[in-house]
Amino acid sequence: DGGITQSPKYLFRKEGQNVTLSCEQNLNHDAMYWYRQDPGQGLRLIYYSQIVNDFQKGDIAEGYSVSREKKESFPLTVTSAQKNPTAFYLCASSMGGVETQYFGPGTRLLVL
Amino acid sequence: AQSVTQPDIHITVSEGASLELRCNYSYGATPYLFWYVQSPGQGLQLLLKYFSGDTLVQGIKGFEAEFKRSQSSFNLRKPSVHWSDAAEYFCAVGVTSGTYKYIFGTGTRLKVLA
Repeated sequence: DGGITQSPKYLFRKEGQNVTLSCEQNLNHDAMYWYRQDPGQGLRLIYYSQIVNDFQKGDIAEGYSVSREKKESFPLTVTSAQKNPTAFYLCASSMGGVETQYFGPGTRLLVL
Repeated sequence: AQSVTQPDIHITVSEGASLELRCNYSYGATPYLFWYVQSPGQGLQLLLKYFSGDTLVQGIKGFEAEFKRSQSSFNLRKPSVHWSDAAEYFCAVGVTSGTYKYIFGTGTRLKVLA
């Protein structure tokens, strides 16, 4: 089945620690996106990539980093510089442009 | 500035009643509009989208939405709500000025009374 997978489902971060969230898609989509979801704030764009080896900052990129070395994969690292990382993180992919974005099941990040 | 407004944070309806969720957008160019639904702890699922053509679009699960350019609105409707429709609903606009991305509204949480 084609789709988007995110792992892990839950992730715990200790103070000062960097953690990486995985996002993989087998839809052959060119574009991939990372969103942060907080209660009452909808989805906010962290980073996006329209093509392999290229990515752009979204609206709330500070404290996060990404890479796009393969078409299928777009991992997100939450660095220690992100002081309030507790949130639900959603990955999405699309054919590009404003074509429909398809979402993964999400990763919930909690701080210990 | 580009934005999407969903004025209702929570809506409660009885099962079998009709539903309308409001969405207003601010975007200077031709809007590409979407409605997504999210069950608790899950990802988002596309309900329907409008790119061009007929301003009344049909989606999955019996939902429809109407694009009204004069009102900058894209309201979601369903004639008869089922208990399984309880979820959070997000409106989004696709922007193409200088980049390609979505802007999401803050969502409307729907509660359905039996």
